[in-house]
Amino acid sequence: SQTIHQWPATLVQPVGSPLSLECTVEGTSNPNLYWYRQAAGRGLQLLFYSVGIGQISSEVPQNLSASRPQDRQFILSSKKLLLSDSGFYLCAWKQQEEAFFGQGTRLTVV
Amino acid sequence: QQQVKQSPQSLIVQKGGISIINCAYENTAFDYFPWYQQFPGKGPALLIAIRPDVSEKKEGRFTISFNKSAKQFSLHIMDSQPGDSATYFCAASSTGNQFYFGTGTSLTVIP
Repeated sequence: SQTIHQWPATLVQPVGSPLSLECTVEGTSNPNLYWYRQAAGRGLQLLFYSVGIGQISSEVPQNLSASRPQDRQFILSSKKLLLSDSGFYLCAWKQQEEAFFGQGTRLTVV
Repeated sequence: QQQVKQSPQSLIVQKGGISIINCAYENTAFDYFPWYQQFPGKGPALLIAIRPDVSEKKEGRFTISFNKSAKQFSLHIMDSQPGDSATYFCAASSTGNQFYFGTGTSLTVIP
C-alpha cells in the first residue's frame, strides 16, 4: 500500500533562519506531488506541485521554494523565514484521481 | 479566483441532526469531486467522492448530492455524532490535473 511520510511534525524557527521540510512517498512510482499551506482557520493554499524529478511548478510568489531530487521525495525550503511563513504545511501525492495527505508540519516562526 | 466556493464557514449541529455543507464550481472540465475530513493537527483524509455521471452517492451516514446543471454539490451527514466534529473540505479536479479545494467548513456536533 502507498504511504506518505512528512517530517518534522512540529517546528519552531526564528525569523531569518532557513527551512527544510521533507516528504517521501512509498509504494508508488512517478506520483504527482504537492505542497499546501493551511493558515489557522483557513483553507488549503497550493504552494508547489511536481509531476516528475526536477519539475516544479509554483502557484504563488513567496519566500519558499521546492525541489524534487528523487521520484518519491519532495522538499520545501526557505533561505530566510518570515513571520508570515507560519502555518500548517501539508505534503500530498496524487495518482489518477485520489489525493493522499501527509500528517502535516506545524511551523511557527518566532 | 476561488475555483471552488464552499459554505458555510462554520456549522453547529445537535447530535442526531443533519449536517449540510455546500460547494459550487465554475469549471465544467472538473470531473471528480471529493470531500475530505480533517481533524485538528492532522492531514485531510478522503471521506467520499463523486463523479458527475451520478446525482448522488451514499456511504454510511455520508451522502454527496450532485447537481451538474447548477454546478453545485453538497455533503450531507445524517445522524451527526460528536466524533464527526472536524473540518470538511470539498474539492474538484479534472483528470490528471491538480485539485482545487474549498475554504473548509468547521463542523461542531453538540452532544
